[in-house]
Amino acid sequence: DTAVSQTPKYLVTQMGNDKSIKCEQNLGHDTMYWYKQDSKKFLKIMFSYNNKELIINETVPNRFSPKSPDKAHLNLHINSLELGDSAVYFCASSQGPGAVQAFFGQGTRLTVV
Amino acid sequence: QQPVQSPQAVILREGEDAVINCSSSKALYSVHWYRQKHGEAPVFLMILLKGGEQKGHEKISASFNEKKQQSSLYLTASQLSYSGTYFCGTVQADNYGQNFVFGPGTRLSVLP
Repeated sequence: DTAVSQTPKYLVTQMGNDKSIKCEQNLGHDTMYWYKQDSKKFLKIMFSYNNKELIINETVPNRFSPKSPDKAHLNLHINSLELGDSAVYFCASSQGPGAVQAFFGQGTRLTVV
Repeated sequence: QQPVQSPQAVILREGEDAVINCSSSKALYSVHWYRQKHGEAPVFLMILLKGGEQKGHEKISASFNEKKQQSSLYLTASQLSYSGTYFCGTVQADNYGQNFVFGPGTRLSVLP
């Protein structure tokens, strides 16, 4: 059983398109995250939801919009994709925010051409 | 406030030891360590809470000096499987639960 699963694993798309990445966790965790890892391997938090409520919203273009339909799901929708959006996007979950162990999904490698 | 990690990269022979350091300019509540192998997701290693504790995971241990706002990860008798990028993550004492930030990572290569 996969604890945190993301789909798709790879996503290649053209500039200007709109795409979504889905994330689901079966750990019963209250908190979910989206991280972006660029080509230099920096892991930067984008969003965090706790019990479906947005608690962290870092400086991210408003083309990125997270949606949490329930505690087990956190999806990421990206509008008008740009070349600079190319990166690996990781979903993660934890029992609570901040000072606890996080479990990461396998990542979605997004390539914008 | 992103923590600083040193060194940026280290190359070892199997069986050698290494130390990876993580420091912050802010007072810390906790330090987390993760390892990411190439092409994979980061995997949790351990959390250290303020109180100067030390923890161990296989032959990997860590310490946290809250007064110096520093943590060190110790890898002893390194194995090939230890290769990967090690990230520390910090939670600031004045922003508990709301501000977890990863360091830039330390790339560790263990050669046979």
